[in-house]
Amino acid sequence: GENVEQHPSTLSVQEGDSAVIKCTYSDSASNYFPWYKQELGKGPQLIIDIRSNVGEKKDQRIAVTLNKTAKHFSLHITETQPEDSAVYFCAALKGLGSNYKLTFGKGTLLTVNP
Amino acid sequence: DVKVTQSSRYLVKRTGEKVFLECVQDMDHENMFWYRQDPGLGLRLIYFSYDVKMKEKGDIPEGYSVSREKKERFSLILESASTNQTSMYLCASSFVGARTGELFFGEGSRLTVL
Repeated sequence: GENVEQHPSTLSVQEGDSAVIKCTYSDSASNYFPWYKQELGKGPQLIIDIRSNVGEKKDQRIAVTLNKTAKHFSLHITETQPEDSAVYFCAALKGLGSNYKLTFGKGTLLTVNP
Repeated sequence: DVKVTQSSRYLVKRTGEKVFLECVQDMDHENMFWYRQDPGLGLRLIYFSYDVKMKEKGDIPEGYSVSREKKERFSLILESASTNQTSMYLCASSFVGARTGELFFGEGSRLTVL
């Protein structure tokens, strides 16, 4: 089955710096890659996603890149703010007929220091 | 906005007790999921359901069962709670097919088994 590796497991940056979280996946049939943000005491929330026919997607300060050949995708946060502190999860979705399976990475705890 | 509501935020139960965790979604989603979240292990899928009365085992179904009698409600049942089931439980829902990966999560239920 699919295996999603996420690095680093923890990341600490200064406010205003950039943060990058990287994920690799094993199954080339995966074609949808969402990123979730989980704030303390809350459930994860989808913040950005990318499909396999796109190489990059941007939404204000966050962007995601996808390299299908290398089977890796990354989340980029620019001009980080304290409210960006959270656990971030990447995931990969593989579909076969009517059967779809979503596999998550183990998460990255991002701390933005004021 | 989509809302996924989990009935209990915090529960404390004794070993051997039967535990019910309830989840309700209001977006008419076909898919509903139960995940377990533990530090360092990320989000692990326990069970999911793609339709009323339908269920599929996830990656860690042992010790759990589920019930989906109505489209909007998905229950997780621990028949005989054990201390190793102390964890955060997250319910999620989504549309079927290619939108399976666009999950909407509840706030979580933190279960402690003594």
